[in-house]
Amino acid sequence: KNEVEQSPQNLTAQEGEFITINCSYSVGISALHWLQQHPGGGIVSLFMLSSGKKKHGRLIATINIQEKHSSLHITASHPRDSAVYICAVRSSTGNQFYFGTGTSLTVIP
Amino acid sequence: DTEVTQTPKHLVMGMTNKKSLKCEQHMGHRAMYWYKQKAKKPPELMFVYSYEKLSINESVPSRFSPECPNSSLLNLHLHALQPEDSALYLCASSHPGQGFRTTGELFFGEGSRLTVL
Repeated sequence: KNEVEQSPQNLTAQEGEFITINCSYSVGISALHWLQQHPGGGIVSLFMLSSGKKKHGRLIATINIQEKHSSLHITASHPRDSAVYICAVRSSTGNQFYFGTGTSLTVIP
Repeated sequence: DTEVTQTPKHLVMGMTNKKSLKCEQHMGHRAMYWYKQKAKKPPELMFVYSYEKLSINESVPSRFSPECPNSSLLNLHLHALQPEDSALYLCASSHPGQGFRTTGELFFGEGSRLTVL
């Protein structure tokens, strides 16, 4: 069993739709990261969360530490949002990061 | 400067070659990581250096040899690789984690895409 589970694995949306990607984890963490990777490209950190909620432009990330769950929301989705979104958690014991398998998002014009 | 710079971006090598991947950051991060990523898969941890000392080696074959010559540089030396080692190799850095309130944002480089013939 993976320490980090994401859903859905694949997601196709029409431009303008509200999108939610979910992440659950089973280990003790010091922080949770939402990462974005475009095809063939490097990884960009979108958010780092240890509690509550963060917002950056059309992106919102929330975390519930008690339930070990986080969500990434994209409002008014756009084709340029098409990418793989990866949830990663940093273990509370040190420098180990655990990665989810990613959610491949395609936004159709 | 919030960049992690990896070179080369692309590398093609034969199974008998010796080559190196390089990673550099100037954010004062004392934890640096090598990850291997195959297509449509999440990154797999290979090595972690913390304060320039190897702290995690995820049972990586000895044909991969990491080196951290100083706090800004991380190398991955490659020798006698196999075609199945072809992948995107990602370097990342962060402040070392020490507890819940540590700011430990993870910064990734663009990766070095390796093809072994």
